[in-house]
Amino acid sequence: GIQVEQSPPDLILQEGANSTLRCNFSDSVNNLQWFHQNPWGQLINLFYIPSGTKQNGRLSATTVATERYSLLYISSSQTTDSGVYFCAAGGGYSTLTFGKGTMLLVSP
Amino acid sequence: DTGVSQDPRHKITKRGQNVTFRCDPISEHNRLYWYRQTLGQGPEFLTYFQNEAQLEKSRLLSDRFSAERPKGSFSTLEIQRTEQGDSAMYLCASSTPPGTGADTGELFFGEGSRLTVL
Repeated sequence: GIQVEQSPPDLILQEGANSTLRCNFSDSVNNLQWFHQNPWGQLINLFYIPSGTKQNGRLSATTVATERYSLLYISSSQTTDSGVYFCAAGGGYSTLTFGKGTMLLVSP
Repeated sequence: DTGVSQDPRHKITKRGQNVTFRCDPISEHNRLYWYRQTLGQGPEFLTYFQNEAQLEKSRLLSDRFSAERPKGSFSTLEIQRTEQGDSAMYLCASSTPPGTGADTGELFFGEGSRLTVL
């Protein structure tokens, strides 16, 4: 099955800083999503992005499918951005394989 | 659209007991997924349904785990004879299958059911 690797595993930022989270996947994909897991455990959809670039406020994502990676950009980080960010990829529209996540801590 | 709903949110049980979790998907979604997440790990796929048909169940962790979706609406995940290693967050998600228009197969998750086995 597809392997998904995320980096860095942990990231500490000062409020206002920018960051880039990376997701590498081992095979071609039809589905790639970024999630933010809140402190209560719910996975919040950030982007559905099997290819191309999308932006939503201070967050944007780019997937280069031919090179098998995706990037999540967070600009002007806020303390509320803290949490775990997951990338998940799938090749057959039936299942998603998750990476281990990047734990982000934004300090005031 | 009320989102994916899971019940109970928390369950504490003694080893050896059976537990059942319920998931109500987004109403127009015909695909429903179950995942398990242990501490410090990403969610791990267990099984999924399209309508009432269970299309993939080989990833269920053991024969103590079973899932149903009898009328193609809500689903239940049952764990029999629970063990301490079953302690985890059980997550449900739903999606529409890919097709025309906005049907991308994008997954939407519920808030999860946290199981603690003593």
